[in-house]
Amino acid sequence: DVKVTQSSRYLVKRTGEKVFLECVQDMDHENMFWYRQDPGLGLRLIYFSYDVKMKEKGDIPEGYSVSREKKERFSLILESASTNQTSMYLCASSPRSSVGTEAFFGQGTRLTVV
Amino acid sequence: QKEVEQNSGPLSVPEGAIASLNCTYSDRGSQSFFWYRQYSGKSPELIMFIYSNGDKEDGRFTAQLNKASQYVSLLIRDSQPSDSATYLCALSGGYQKVTFGTGTKLQVIP
Repeated sequence: DVKVTQSSRYLVKRTGEKVFLECVQDMDHENMFWYRQDPGLGLRLIYFSYDVKMKEKGDIPEGYSVSREKKERFSLILESASTNQTSMYLCASSPRSSVGTEAFFGQGTRLTVV
Repeated sequence: QKEVEQNSGPLSVPEGAIASLNCTYSDRGSQSFFWYRQYSGKSPELIMFIYSNGDKEDGRFTAQLNKASQYVSLLIRDSQPSDSATYLCALSGGYQKVTFGTGTKLQVIP
């Protein structure tokens, strides 16, 4: 079974803190993604990576950065957390394909910024 | 215009009926189309994918793709209360990015 593991299920942080969300996948997938999910807005892509040390901005990258030093690990960084970053964060991975493939999701991290 | 459009619902159908979920998209370069199911408080899980125009059937589920009309749909036959969830339409292309719609909430009434 494909496994995508996010480091925390629930997280509470203070405004202004630097926050790290970690994601690890065990299927040797080239692609990894970070989404946030908010009611009424669906899944919105923050950043994705198609290879080690490579990253691409998604639809809402402002206030976030990412790091991919190893193929299996993709980290999302909130440089200075704000209350509008309170959300469910979902990590996903997929194999590289010329036509696109299924994304496998982690269990999600519910982040609350107070 | 959003890349992937779905009616947010809720779509209510009686148990045993056919549920029809629809999705339109704007990027004609999209090559792969997916339907994910998401139960409340859980992560999305893939239930169907389709690459070619026409119908693809898997058990009670049928995905339909019409690239000319930029339209993809999911039919659920003999709907069960356990099918009650949010259904997310997604698409992808050679650029690796996966884009999701906002989802349609389905309620199957016993």
